[in-house]
Amino acid sequence: DTGVSQDPRHKITKRGQNVTFRCDPISEHNRLYWYRQTLGQGPEFLTYFQNEAQLEKSRLLSDRFSAERPKGSFSTLEIQRTEQGDSAMYLCASSPPLGPSGGAYNEQFFGPGTRLTVL
Amino acid sequence: AQKITQTQPGMFVQEKEAVTLDCTYDTSDQSYGLFWYKQPSSGEMIFLIYQGSYDEQNATEGRYSLNFQKARKSANLVISASQLGDSAMYFCAMRDLSGNTPLVFGKGTRLSVIA
Repeated sequence: DTGVSQDPRHKITKRGQNVTFRCDPISEHNRLYWYRQTLGQGPEFLTYFQNEAQLEKSRLLSDRFSAERPKGSFSTLEIQRTEQGDSAMYLCASSPPLGPSGGAYNEQFFGPGTRLTVL
Repeated sequence: AQKITQTQPGMFVQEKEAVTLDCTYDTSDQSYGLFWYKQPSSGEMIFLIYQGSYDEQNATEGRYSLNFQKARKSANLVISASQLGDSAMYFCAMRDLSGNTPLVFGKGTRLSVIA
């Protein structure tokens, strides 16, 4: 399977614990995005990498959240001191390099998501 | 800032009938792209169709078509000949034309196809 993969698919943790999620993008995709989706809502942007550089972070990304993409390949999203409000689906997406003319049609390919439940 | 509004929390359609899912958007950008994604119960977001703001013709992809009315800032998704497998959440999304920004999503519409 050459799609975007995420691990784990499900995570149940107790409030106050730290959790880490992993995303493996499609090979040669230099852009990687993290989104969070709560029940009844659409995905909301968290952060974005181009290669290993974190180019943008949403205000949703509090100090308890940190994301890395150390070698420009896989990425990790860590949540420290989890709270019940962190319960959500965390989606990762990757996209290929922009063409010479750039363009909005730079399709993002999504992984299956990691569903986090904080008790 | 960009904003997507989907006013239909849920829709029902009879199998083999056509259905229209509404999407309106707001942006100050002159150039932008509009997307529709399908999210089945498994959770994965599946890309369906794309419309660029400068595209003069409405986009079509198989049974999916996008009714783009730029002056009204609407980008409705039309699914023809509905199938039971079309039952899912559907999200409208947009981004600017640079391709450097993340997608902005609406709240989605849950489509249920009835046999």
